[in-house]
Amino acid sequence: EAGVTQFPSHSVIEKGQTVTLRCDPISGHDNLYWYRRVMGKEIKFLLHFVKESKQDESGMPNNRFLAERTGGTYSTLKVQPAELEDSGVYFCASSHLRDRSTEAFFGQGTRLTVV
Amino acid sequence: RKEVEQDPGPFNVPEGATVAFNCTYSNSASQSFFWYRQDCRKEPKLLMSVYSSGNEDGRFTAQLNRASQYISLLIRDSKLSDSATYLCVVTGWNSGYALNFGKGTSLLVTP
Repeated sequence: EAGVTQFPSHSVIEKGQTVTLRCDPISGHDNLYWYRRVMGKEIKFLLHFVKESKQDESGMPNNRFLAERTGGTYSTLKVQPAELEDSGVYFCASSHLRDRSTEAFFGQGTRLTVV
Repeated sequence: RKEVEQDPGPFNVPEGATVAFNCTYSNSASQSFFWYRQDCRKEPKLLMSVYSSGNEDGRFTAQLNRASQYISLLIRDSKLSDSATYLCVVTGWNSGYALNFGKGTSLLVTP
């Protein structure tokens, strides 16, 4: 069974540009989460999808970040325009809906560098 | 105050040593607790869930003290392959079941 996959694995962009990160969760997982780790800080929650609906987006830093999950399958996270402080590793995770305490499986992350 | 606090370490221990990590959480409504392991430049992976009665998985023992809002992880007979960052993770209905991570404790097991 394929795990959570994220694309790209690395991205280097200039301040002001736009970047779109993609996450393909494990097939059948209705919960999809985006997290971010900024250098020297803990992994922080960004938002949570249940199927195609945004369950909680309280962790989104500001309106430069837009996440979508059309059709309840893969998800995208767009940063527009990117700022220097957006640099970090963006993780996606997925889990089954029915058991909220079940294991969340993480993708390998997208390392974003804004210069 | 951070929701989940851990001693960042690093903990440098020789092979075969026993090492213990501690973690405290601030939200008393938290319901589920985990230890995740993260290797350098890799994604976090679940090591074990933590139950109120305490639980053991081979060389690893996890304990939870709800009254003190304290979680621990004990590693016995450390192996070189145990070197990693150990993340204390807490979740519950109050956070929509999103995972709240500590900054992690770094462990280096040396020969």
